Amino acid sequence: EIVLTQSPGTLSLSPGERATLSCRASQSVSSSYLAWYQQKPGQAPRLLIYGASSRATGIPDRFSGSGSGTDFTLTISRLEPEDFAVYYCQQFWAFGQGTKLEIK
Amino acid sequence: QVQLVQSGAEVKKPGASVKVSCKASGYTFTSYGISWVRQAPGQGLEWMGWISAYNGNTNYAQKLQGRVTMTTDTSTSTAYMELRSLRSDDTAVYYCARASGSGDYFDYWGQGTLVTVSS
Repeated sequence: EIVLTQSPGTLSLSPGERATLSCRASQSVSSSYLAWYQQKPGQAPRLLIYGASSRATGIPDRFSGSGSGTDFTLTISRLEPEDFAVYYCQQFWAFGQGTKLEIK
Repeated sequence: QVQLVQSGAEVKKPGASVKVSCKASGYTFTSYGISWVRQAPGQGLEWMGWISAYNGNTNYAQKLQGRVTMTTDTSTSTAYMELRSLRSDDTAVYYCARASGSGDYFDYWGQGTLVTVSS
């Protein structure tokens, strides 16, 4: 059973800064099947990235995904105020525990 | 546009059952699967299972096997999730989500249904 571990648990940054979020799998996974979601309080998750690096419809290009094997990364190039939220990685039936991106 | 609209909040006693609906619109219902994901208060996301809207095939999370049943009604483009023998730790927001063709990611989500289990 695949376990996805996200780090850090909480990331404190300022608007305009670059955010790098990590997702590590307990065993090698096909990069075709790694997705990232954003969730704001009281809202459903929103798909950001699928296939490790493909942006979903309507997602700004400041969001990018990369990685392969067991190590994957979500990068937000320049943080906007609306980007502060919780981010989850996912592979089929497994979700990471989430990274909270908070304003510093 | 694609929409998934879920039924309203429920309050149930321990041992009871709950059935949550998810009405889809804006796409061909039978061309995609539906997954159910739940989120306990203040916690992360937990995948519960998946159903093919094309043929009704299902795949359930092992920890919920025997307590959960997912079904679809293609005549109304609606998916259902029934959870039985409810316990207090089933208290959560339950989401339906459209699964991609290969079932590996979820591109549209319902608004969520809060199920509270309390005596």
